[in-house]
Amino acid sequence: NAGVTQTPKFQVLKTGQSMTLQCAQDMNHEYMSWYRQDPGMGLRLIHYSVGAGITDQGEVPNGYNVSRSTTEDFPLRLLSAAPSQTSVYFCASRANSGGSYNEQFFGPGTRLTVL
Amino acid sequence: ELKVEQNPLFLSMQEGKNYTIYCNYSTTSDRLYWYRQDPGKSLESLFVLLSNGAVKQEGRLMASLDTKARLSTLHITAAVHDLSATYFCAVARTPGDKIIFGKGTRLHILP
Repeated sequence: NAGVTQTPKFQVLKTGQSMTLQCAQDMNHEYMSWYRQDPGMGLRLIHYSVGAGITDQGEVPNGYNVSRSTTEDFPLRLLSAAPSQTSVYFCASRANSGGSYNEQFFGPGTRLTVL
Repeated sequence: ELKVEQNPLFLSMQEGKNYTIYCNYSTTSDRLYWYRQDPGKSLESLFVLLSNGAVKQEGRLMASLDTKARLSTLHITAAVHDLSATYFCAVARTPGDKIIFGKGTRLHILP
């Protein structure tokens, strides 16, 4: 069980470039989400998904796109990177059903710098 | 709109002392999470609290939930240096809803 995996670990982009941050989980979790972490701001929710084919916006969705074609994968796309998107990005997943307490598991993070 | 506030945002304390971190949230919610994050690392789940009056303990950390007051506390007993980290609370309104985080409390325990 790999849990939640993210690639790449580090990335440097130039303003205007595009890229996709990958996230995968092998726990058959319905719910997946993307957060960004900036100093003093905590974790802010970018987008989330409650199942394959269903996505919704979080607190800071502008500049990011997501799709969920499979239960396992939830990629985050930056179409035209801006310096304001320099951050650490975390992907997370949890089960979305039943009476369990739905613990949320986090990936290791991707540190992105936009020059 | 769900808002989550933690205080204090920064806490420096000596080993052996007790202290409490507070987490307030703005709307009726179904569950509250506590996480720990070490510098440069990902988040580690500490507790999930589901109901009013819920209390969970792990070692020197104890978390409680008062849903009527919309307040959770994370109590540290006889702090040790290893507990130095940033602690986050996070809230979901319903079991399937998005999870919103507070800004975190950076805890520094002096030997």
